[in-house]
Amino acid sequence: EDQVTQSPEALRLQEGESSSLNCSYTVSGLRGLFWYRQDPGKGPEFLFTLYSAGEEKEKERLKATLTKKESFLHITAPKPEDSATYLCAVDQGAQKLVFGQGTRLTINP
Amino acid sequence: DGGITQSPKYLFRKEGQNVTLSCEQNLNHDAMYWYRQDPGQGLRLIYYSQIVNDFQKGDIAEGYSVSREKKESFPLTVTSAQKNPTAFYLCASRDRGHEQYFGPGTRLTVT
Repeated sequence: EDQVTQSPEALRLQEGESSSLNCSYTVSGLRGLFWYRQDPGKGPEFLFTLYSAGEEKEKERLKATLTKKESFLHITAPKPEDSATYLCAVDQGAQKLVFGQGTRLTINP
Repeated sequence: DGGITQSPKYLFRKEGQNVTLSCEQNLNHDAMYWYRQDPGQGLRLIYYSQIVNDFQKGDIAEGYSVSREKKESFPLTVTSAQKNPTAFYLCASRDRGHEQYFGPGTRLTVT
């Protein structure tokens, strides 16, 4: 059974303190790994898609990387506006996504 | 302005009543999806449709029904058979790529 596990569940950082979020997955044949940002009470906002081990994508202070078993979302010098829940999902085929539980990130000023 | 709209933002119903959640997209996307999100849990797939007049059950379809009569619209009905209907419901659509794009969500409360 395809599974996606995110850690930690919650992370509190000071502004400017870099860190990483983890997404571990077990899927038979990765067809894509996706990162989303979700603000409270809103729909997820698409960030990145990664397809193969070694691939990296960047957007402002965020960089996503992928290995054969996990993905990391690195946050460099975060600002309070980066506070959100970050969701990871994998394509399990037929364009159906399996989501992790999310990491709730809080950046204190 | 292209996007996905869901209405209403908040919905309140009494137990035993059916309720229909609206999802409309003007992105010309073929595929559309309904998810449910509960506190502390990831999104779970309810139903999806890859083309007009066709749809498939997701992982938690019991107590829900959908229709796809138009490309732009994919309404979800939460029936009285759904045992725990109170949740945040999210609609998404996808074009020929793999990325799904989400609407703003509808928070349903059943008492």
